[in-house]
Amino acid sequence: SQKIEQNSEALNIQEGKTATLTCNYTNYSPAYLQWYRQDPGRGPVFLLLIRENEKEKRKERLKVTFDTTLKQSLFHITASQPADSATYLCALDPLTSMRFGAGTRLTVKP
Amino acid sequence: GAGVSQSPRYKVAKRGQDVALRCDPISGHVSLFWYQQALGQGPEFLTYFQNEAQLDKSGLPSDRFFAERPEGSVSTLKIQRTQQEDSAVYLCASSLKQIFSNQPQHFGDGTRLSIL
Repeated sequence: SQKIEQNSEALNIQEGKTATLTCNYTNYSPAYLQWYRQDPGRGPVFLLLIRENEKEKRKERLKVTFDTTLKQSLFHITASQPADSATYLCALDPLTSMRFGAGTRLTVKP
Repeated sequence: GAGVSQSPRYKVAKRGQDVALRCDPISGHVSLFWYQQALGQGPEFLTYFQNEAQLDKSGLPSDRFFAERPEGSVSTLKIQRTQQEDSAVYLCASSLKQIFSNQPQHFGDGTRLSIL
């Protein structure tokens, strides 16, 4: 069956460090993958989109990689700040219907 | 500009009652999506509209769930004869173009539905 797994339910890191979040998928062949941020009581907010023929995408302190052989995307936040604390969701392939992972809750401690 | 607006923000209903949830997408957005999000989970796809046409309703959990977008803008998700398992946050999202255009989705803040 099709699955999207995000590495851990929760990730705690110290301010200034790099946070790395993982999204693994099985039985999908997505043309692209998206990452969203969700704060408590709010809807998800789009962050980055990466296509299958792109290895890496950057936006300010954010970096996403996409390895279609490993069926994995990595999401990095460099120089993390307490304001980066949120749940981060990966999502696959709105060619049919968008599928989301369960999310990873990131806490950045001062 | 204005984002996606959902109302009500909170809805409490007794089991067996019908509820209607409203979504005002960003003006001019072609695509509209409904999702259901349980606590601690990611959003689960329910249905998709391209303008007024409902092109995918494969995620609707039962025939008690019905969605419409009659004029291609505002959408309503209706749940009939609500049950406790319907308790969740219902999210609406819109995007500028049709689904095949790799567009980011813009989400509302959801309606939190509680069935007693």
